[in-house]
Amino acid sequence: EIVLTQSPGTLSLSPGERATLSCRASQSVSSSYLTWYQQSPGQAPRLLIFGASSRATGIPDRFRGSGSGTDFTLTISRLEPEDFVVYYCQQYGSSPITFGQGTRLEIK
Amino acid sequence: QVQLQESGPGLVRPSETLSLTCTVSGASINTYYWSWIRQPPGMRLEWIGYINYSGNTNYNPSLKSRVTISLDTSKNQFSLNLSSVTAADTALYYCARGSFYMLMWGPGTLVTVSS
Repeated sequence: EIVLTQSPGTLSLSPGERATLSCRASQSVSSSYLTWYQQSPGQAPRLLIFGASSRATGIPDRFRGSGSGTDFTLTISRLEPEDFVVYYCQQYGSSPITFGQGTRLEIK
Repeated sequence: QVQLQESGPGLVRPSETLSLTCTVSGASINTYYWSWIRQPPGMRLEWIGYINYSGNTNYNPSLKSRVTISLDTSKNQFSLNLSSVTAADTALYYCARGSFYMLMWGPGTLVTVSS
């Protein structure tokens, strides 16, 4: 199975700054079948990005996904207070579907 | 607007079967794909499996021998059965709409396996 490793584990930034979150796969993710979710405390995950770079319905354009092969990135261009939560990547290019361990974005 | 809600026992004894139901509102269970995902305490999310509108299923190989996902179209629900549970099956269980990626999630339900 494909193992996804997210870095950093915790990212400390200030509102208004740019965040860059990494997701690295143990083998190539076919057709860039890579997804990003956002999870607020006590809430279910929320779909942000699918197909590595396509924003889900209602997701602001400050969220941008990029990458291919084994290296993927979620960039949040101007951090808002509500963005300081946990982010997960997930691949669906090969079975079984697997998730990264998460990156926590905290206010500096 | 599609909404999902998990329900079922919060405590299951070791070696017994964990049974959860997901009630769907705002969409017919006869369309789309429907999934179960879980998150053990302090660990990453784990995909359990999905079922489609025709009743076809796909399970995580690590759980396949113990998992059954089924549809109940009369109640617009789908269900998860996980047999022979151990403490390692203690987790927050989510149901979701989608197969390869999850467009909408339920709030989750905590299931503890303990005697």
